[in-house]
Amino acid sequence: QSVLTQPPSVSGAPGQTITISCTGSSSNIGAGHDVHWYQQLPGTAPKLLIRENTNRPSGVPDRFSGSKSGSSASLAISGLQADDESDYYCQSYDIRLRTYVFGTGTRVTV
Amino acid sequence: VNLVQSGGGFVKSGGSLTLSCAASGFTLSDDYMAWIRQAPGRGLEWIASLPTLADAMYADSVKGRFTISRDSAKNSLFLHMTSLTAEDTAVYFCARDPIAVSRSLFYFDYWGQGTLVTVSS
Repeated sequence: QSVLTQPPSVSGAPGQTITISCTGSSSNIGAGHDVHWYQQLPGTAPKLLIRENTNRPSGVPDRFSGSKSGSSASLAISGLQADDESDYYCQSYDIRLRTYVFGTGTRVTV
Repeated sequence: VNLVQSGGGFVKSGGSLTLSCAASGFTLSDDYMAWIRQAPGRGLEWIASLPTLADAMYADSVKGRFTISRDSAKNSLFLHMTSLTAEDTAVYFCARDPIAVSRSLFYFDYWGQGTLVTVSS
């Protein structure tokens, strides 16, 4: 169902930097649509983490950064902390499906 | 900005249910609004959006069965669900899709707390 592919899991030690990839296609990310990232702690609603590829909403630590290239995007978390353990989702818009699309989700373990 | 959801619960297969989402801190009709769901142990799935001026948009999985609407006087968003099946069992979230120059920015900046809908056969 998901048209954006993410690794199921990524792990790292405290203080390390990890990267989560989000691979799309020419009908979504590759078509020029922005990528957004959400953090979802267990049992809670998703929280907007990165909007429009690289922009952090107010209150999001600068340890979180986003990038986009071609039909893919990445979320980097530096200075990994225990409370970064969460599920992370990328999201974009697909012009062929004419729907908002989410990534498959990545569970980060610290 | 706050979105508070109500509704949800248990419903038999083939039944109907309406979810509500009360907004505060902004005027709901000034932005696009959306419903997104998450089946148990699964990822996020966009299911419906209500633009400010255009017709509603739906995912194929719910088209013809679900209706998104708003009540401007109550500053509230609704999702009326019919012909429910076990595949509709999920936590449902309402979310704001902010606009700029009357166009969607295509992301969701504020979310409701979520409400669980369980469809039993």
